[in-house]
Amino acid sequence: EVQLVESGGGLIQPGRSLRLSCTASGFTFGDYGMSWFRQAPGKGLEWVGFIRSNIHGGTAEYAASVKGRFTISRDDSKSIAYVQMNSLKSEDTAVYFCSRPLKLVQGVFDYWGQGTLVTVSS
Amino acid sequence: QSALTQPASVSGSPGQSITISCTGTTSDVGGYDYVSWYQQHPGKAPKLIIFDVSDRPSGVSNRFSGSKSGYTASLTISGLQAEDEADYFCSSYTTTSNLALFGGGTRLTVL
Repeated sequence: EVQLVESGGGLIQPGRSLRLSCTASGFTFGDYGMSWFRQAPGKGLEWVGFIRSNIHGGTAEYAASVKGRFTISRDDSKSIAYVQMNSLKSEDTAVYFCSRPLKLVQGVFDYWGQGTLVTVSS
Repeated sequence: QSALTQPASVSGSPGQSITISCTGTTSDVGGYDYVSWYQQHPGKAPKLIIFDVSDRPSGVSNRFSGSKSGYTASLTISGLQAEDEADYFCSSYTTTSNLALFGGGTRLTVL
């Protein structure tokens, strides 16, 4: 059974950094690109970014709203995807989800974690 | 990038059918058959219910169907049930970004 479990969320002050983890199981992690999404309270989904599988270069792409502040990485030996979030702002407050794509570029995601809440506030 | 356009809310009575629209441009919805739909109950993760405009993942009820005409994709839910009350998001491949576009979401209320 495919499972994705996010962790690392919490209350953080503006300007500080936080790293979220997405621990995967039930599939060959290294074969898949992985994505991060977020959802601000009462708002829609926003695709934060994704990281390609190492077979496809292991490179990452980001939404304009987080580019330069967030970094997505992966450790295939541990089946974990990360998002390092720096210079956090109040508008980064959201539930963060990781997701495994059925079709990455086409935006088709068939497995999702339950999310971890990040609250940026002083 | 601009989001796809969805109505903020729709409603229907049990047993009825409803349709949710998702409007884009020639760079996304209108140009490619890569539209997906997700269902999200409050406090839960999104669930893929339609991909590639009209395909259903295994296990998704055939009460959910998708279609597209021009720049607008549509999700139809037939035989509405109470458990269908949720938020629904569309997404589409786009040539204007490395990331697919998402709609703002539609809240479905089952009366």
